[in-house]
Amino acid sequence: AQSVTQPDIHITVSEGASLELRCNYSYGATPYLFWYVQSPGQGLQLLLKYFSGDTLVQGIKGFEAEFKRSQSSFNLRKPSVHWSDAAEYFCAVGGNTGRRALTFGSGTRLQVQP
Amino acid sequence: KAGVTQTPRYLIKTRGQQVTLSCSPISGHRSVSWYQQTPGQGLQFLFEYFSETQRNKGNFPGRFSGRQFSNSRSEMNVSTLELGDSALYLCASSLGSSGGGETQYFGPGTRLLVL
Repeated sequence: AQSVTQPDIHITVSEGASLELRCNYSYGATPYLFWYVQSPGQGLQLLLKYFSGDTLVQGIKGFEAEFKRSQSSFNLRKPSVHWSDAAEYFCAVGGNTGRRALTFGSGTRLQVQP
Repeated sequence: KAGVTQTPRYLIKTRGQQVTLSCSPISGHRSVSWYQQTPGQGLQFLFEYFSETQRNKGNFPGRFSGRQFSNSRSEMNVSTLELGDSALYLCASSLGSSGGGETQYFGPGTRLLVL
């Protein structure tokens, strides 16, 4: 069965500082990996996704993520955080068998200090 | 293009009642998936509909059901509500034409409170 682990429940960074959110997955084959962001009271917005090819993926809002098969990781990064990035971030894995069911991690809540 | 819309946005029900939530997908999208989000269990997949047929189902009791109409709009129903059904219910749509890696676009959710 596929699973996703986000080890950090809550992270606080200063505005302008760099950010890395960790994600580890378990899946038997090559996974489809996603990062979503959720602002309070809102649905989920897709930041980026990895299917195959280049292991460094660029997304919206200046985010990027790197797929590392050897470490079963798909960490999200941003070089300089803005106050508007404060939200909850979810890593998700999807299968490649036609199932659209996403398995989500428990999320990381990001707080940005001025 | 309009995004995924969900109605109502908020609902308050009492135990034992039933509830129906509605989801209108992005125009041209034929797959609709439903997820439940709670503080304790996180985001969990309920089911997916494609061309009016349930294609996948998560691990939820039979009280949770859904359907999809010919215009791809979907409804989910929860019967005999329990306190633990209080959650944010999210609907996601996708084209439905390719494999599991297809991007799902989420609506704002319906927040259900069961008293």
